[in-house]
Amino acid sequence: QKEVEQDPGPLSVPEGAIVSLNCTYSNSAFQYFMWYRQYSRKGPELLMYTYSSGNKEDGRFTAQVDKSSKYISLFIRDSQPSDSATYLCAMSASRNTPLVFGKGTRLSVIA
Amino acid sequence: EAGVVQSPRYKIIEKKQPVAFWCNPISGHNTLYWYRQNLGQGPELLIRYENEEAVDDSQLPKDRFSAERLKGVDSTLKIQPAELGDSAVYLCASSLVQGNTEAFFGQGTRLTVV
Repeated sequence: QKEVEQDPGPLSVPEGAIVSLNCTYSNSAFQYFMWYRQYSRKGPELLMYTYSSGNKEDGRFTAQVDKSSKYISLFIRDSQPSDSATYLCAMSASRNTPLVFGKGTRLSVIA
Repeated sequence: EAGVVQSPRYKIIEKKQPVAFWCNPISGHNTLYWYRQNLGQGPELLIRYENEEAVDDSQLPKDRFSAERLKGVDSTLKIQPAELGDSAVYLCASSLVQGNTEAFFGQGTRLTVV
């Protein structure tokens, strides 16, 4: 079992839909949880960063962490075609231990 | 503000040849990372520098890979000799402070070994 599991998709939704992206993990030491967006042939771009459990909202994006279930989610409201990208979850036990990435979920938002 | 700059963007080489990648981090960023991203996978850390010191190189295949960060600014990653399995995107990232929670990535170098 990999440390971080992420459904690779692809996921296709109509414009305006609510998108839910998820990752599960096995290492209970993980404390830092991140979501990156990666456009085709570009580097990953940090979207959301959460420490420990709880929710964090930034505009149309909401990140949730449930450490008891070892499950993290990213919600995108009112999805736009410009949200079409691969979304990578990443996590680490501390600020200085290597990030462990999921495989990424490829999202297409259809106009 | 310029982001992390990597060159070349693309490189095609024959197996057993050497190859080098260059990274210029964001100005003032002391921490520099090299990652490898295989097709359909997330990035995996190869090496992390704090200034010119490599503080985590446990995942760097040292028989063929080497890296340096002279003067704590630019960095190069070298593979010699390259193998078919080295085909991947090599990403450089940098952060102002220690800790990967604020790292910014470059666009990467896509390496194809034939």
